[in-house]
Amino acid sequence: AQKITQTQPGMFVQEKEAVTLDCTYDTSDQSYGLFWYKQPSSGEMIFLIYQGSYDEQNATEGRYSLNFQKARKSANLVISASQLGDSAMYFCAMREGEEYGNKLVFGAGTILRVKS
Amino acid sequence: DTEVTQTPKHLVMGMTNKKSLKCEQHMGHRAMYWYKQKAKKPPELMFVYSYEKLSINESVPSRFSPECPNSSLLNLHLHALQPEDSALYLCASSQATDSNQPQHFGDGTRLSIL
Repeated sequence: AQKITQTQPGMFVQEKEAVTLDCTYDTSDQSYGLFWYKQPSSGEMIFLIYQGSYDEQNATEGRYSLNFQKARKSANLVISASQLGDSAMYFCAMREGEEYGNKLVFGAGTILRVKS
Repeated sequence: DTEVTQTPKHLVMGMTNKKSLKCEQHMGHRAMYWYKQKAKKPPELMFVYSYEKLSINESVPSRFSPECPNSSLLNLHLHALQPEDSALYLCASSQATDSNQPQHFGDGTRLSIL
């Protein structure tokens, strides 16, 4: 079974508007971490935001926020005030605990295109 | 600029060649990783080094041989590769394998096998 599911292969958003990228996960581990990465066409993977499974508050980093709903096992990324430079592939990833090798498992990704 | 440096950025090699990919970080991280990424796909984990020892090998063919000479350097030696090995190879590092601090990635090496 897929551990990380990103159901939106591609998304469009108008410049200056907000957009939500969906991510659901599957784990039986109590301690895990959720990460979002941005990958522009140039290839580098850029860390955006992190949410720990025990964190009470939703994570925020500038224009990025994570809508964490633990009971629903979802960790959606919200980008506010979209900019043309936000056009990229976005990956949701999960790190499970030692029993699962502490590996980072990625979802299939969502391609975001920001329109001017 | 990323804090994880990978060289070369591009590499074209024949199936009989031997080459090496290099990765360097100076953040004091003790875990380093190699990933393979095909176009429009997520990265796939290949190897994990923890405190300079190989801790995970994801059943990677022996034509890929990792090496960790010291805590700052990670190499990937390539020999007798196949055309399907053409991909973006990403190196990453983190404080430790069990840390919830993020993995930091390099810009990658785009490898083409002729």
